[in-house]
Amino acid sequence: DAKTTQPPSMDCAEGRAANLPCNHSTISGNEYVYWYRQIHSQGPQYIIHGLKNNETNEMASLIITEDRKSSTLILPHATLRDTAVYYCIVRVNNYGQNFVFGPGTRLSVLP
Amino acid sequence: GAGVSQSPSNKVTEKGKDVELRCDPISGHTALYWYRQSLGQGLEFLIYFQGNSAPDKSGLPSDRFSAERTGGSVSTLTIQRTQQEDSAVYLCASSSGVAGGPRGTGELFFGEGSRLTVL
Repeated sequence: DAKTTQPPSMDCAEGRAANLPCNHSTISGNEYVYWYRQIHSQGPQYIIHGLKNNETNEMASLIITEDRKSSTLILPHATLRDTAVYYCIVRVNNYGQNFVFGPGTRLSVLP
Repeated sequence: GAGVSQSPSNKVTEKGKDVELRCDPISGHTALYWYRQSLGQGLEFLIYFQGNSAPDKSGLPSDRFSAERTGGSVSTLTIQRTQQEDSAVYLCASSSGVAGGPRGTGELFFGEGSRLTVL
């Protein structure tokens, strides 16, 4: 079972920041938070991951609360091509662990 | 190749026939995952390989499903006596290492999937 909860859908205006929340209240100390997205008819794409510090890369920023029970993925300037299903996953850092995908959040970027 | 390669990209078969789906992971990636995604649904985990062994087969939906991996590289997912409910996109992903480790971020790289339609 997925260990995360996300809103089923969100809208965002083109050019504005998209803030996608994720709750993971039962996260363990050795579990990382990963974000992936899936654009229609394509395989999922890695976005970013983190353990406890905030992270930023060329695609997005990841803000993890101090208690690590929730996080927010931020797309700073959303474009129409960012319309996709966004998945938040928690996973232990070792080879034996699967990535469990929940239903995710369907983000629609509107012109 | 540069990415995860899956074949065939599309497969239409008749109910009761066997099908084989192939996944060629990124060179050097030791971990390989199979998922399936039915129309409008999320990703369903099927099986995971570390090298040639499969420590987690918990997601295989029935004994009609099997998978193998040889040489720590190519993997084949076989579905015997296909049923209409097997129709889905079958996705393969590979990974090089664990998050925070010296050999990679632990992220998954997905192929474009094999779309299976059982008539």
